[in-house]
Amino acid sequence: QSALTQPASVSGSPGQSITISCTGTSSDVGGYNYVSWYQQHPGKAPKLMIYEVSNRPSGVSNRFSGSKSGNTASLTISGLQAEDEADYYCSSYTSSSTLGVVFGGGTKLTVL
Amino acid sequence: QVQLVESGGGLVKPGGSLRLSCAASGFTFSDYYMSWIRQAPGKGLEWVSYISSSGSTIYYADSVKGRFTISRDNAKNSLYLQMNSLRAEDTAVYYCARDGYDFWSGLNLYYFDYWGQGTLVTVSS
Repeated sequence: QSALTQPASVSGSPGQSITISCTGTSSDVGGYNYVSWYQQHPGKAPKLMIYEVSNRPSGVSNRFSGSKSGNTASLTISGLQAEDEADYYCSSYTSSSTLGVVFGGGTKLTVL
Repeated sequence: QVQLVESGGGLVKPGGSLRLSCAASGFTFSDYYMSWIRQAPGKGLEWVSYISSSGSTIYYADSVKGRFTISRDNAKNSLYLQMNSLRAEDTAVYYCARDGYDFWSGLNLYYFDYWGQGTLVTVSS
């Protein structure tokens, strides 16, 4: 059981927009702006897509955006492309006993 | 360019030990916090541990506390993970990753901007 809750799967057609949610608690997502998102293609290492809730690293398409409201963070991908099909993970700092990082269980994005 | 290369994975029996290494290049290793993150076969990501730039601050996930030890050698640009009392549930690909860091405040930003390719650890009899 993951600390952060994500939908197991989402899907969309090319050109559409989708949103992946990431729900935590006031000890992680809701309490800090240390939410990040990662994209992982099969057999590859994860790639940072969003950090500190809504910041995009250099080189990441502006089709990817992040936001947060209360204990839920969201990743939105607009103008879906075939290469966006991948697993997506959210993470957050946590002030629980570990004082470390917790991940969501991951969301499989299918581009129809 | 930033490179992180893990090594040391392999097959080990339950109760055994293994030491993972991560060789860093392309950045000033001694400036950054570093982390280990693992992924069991077909499963999601799990943060394991992080260590501050100087090595003075270390935290572990509850699942490995007391069994795993993270360390670093800034002179060798290397990160390590000593894994003892290994269990079947420790079977995973282990990634080393560079933590985001705010140079002005000196604070860890708890995201991972560069990852290695991973090394597979299999715990089985």
